[in-house]
Amino acid sequence: AQSVTQLGSHVSVSEGALVLLRCNYSSSVPPYLFWYVQYPNQGLQLLLKYTTGATLVKGINGFEAEFKKSETSFHLTKPSAHMSDAAEYFCAVYSGGSNYKLTFGKGTLLTVNP
Amino acid sequence: DTEVTQTPKHLVMGMTNKKSLKCEQHMGHRAMYWYKQKAKKPPELMFVYSYEKLSINESVPSRFSPECPNSSLLNLHLHALQPEDSALYLCASSQVGERPEDTQYFGPGTRLTVL
Repeated sequence: AQSVTQLGSHVSVSEGALVLLRCNYSSSVPPYLFWYVQYPNQGLQLLLKYTTGATLVKGINGFEAEFKKSETSFHLTKPSAHMSDAAEYFCAVYSGGSNYKLTFGKGTLLTVNP
Repeated sequence: DTEVTQTPKHLVMGMTNKKSLKCEQHMGHRAMYWYKQKAKKPPELMFVYSYEKLSINESVPSRFSPECPNSSLLNLHLHALQPEDSALYLCASSQVGERPEDTQYFGPGTRLTVL
């Protein structure tokens, strides 16, 4: 079964600093990988996804992620953090088969300090 | 328009009450989902409807009863809930459930409190 592990339940950065949120996956087949963001008291919003093709994926709000098969990683980055980036971030993998199931990581809370 | 709407935003109910959560999308999506999210945890899948038929039930207790009256609407009927059922209930939809590359679009959720 596919799974994802998010390293670090809480990441704190200064405004303007690099954001790096880590996600490693486990999959016996080529994975479909997603990053979602959840702002307080809201639903989840897709930031970006990797299906096939280009390994560097650009998303909304200046975020991007690189699929690295050799490292089984899909880390999320943003060059310069903004206060509005403070939120919970979830990495997710499609679990395969016909069960349409997304398996989420435990989440990483990003705080941005002024 | 990539909006999924959910009503109500907040719901407080007693353990003997019957209530319903409603979800609506007008994106022409044919797969709809219910998730449960406890505080500081990731969403957990409860049910999946594909083409208005229940295709997945993740062993959810029968006090939760889903219904898909048409391709745009998804309901979750609640009866005899327990305090531990208090959570954020999220609805999502995707174009066609069988394609893993399809994005799931989430609604803002209903925050349920069971007293």
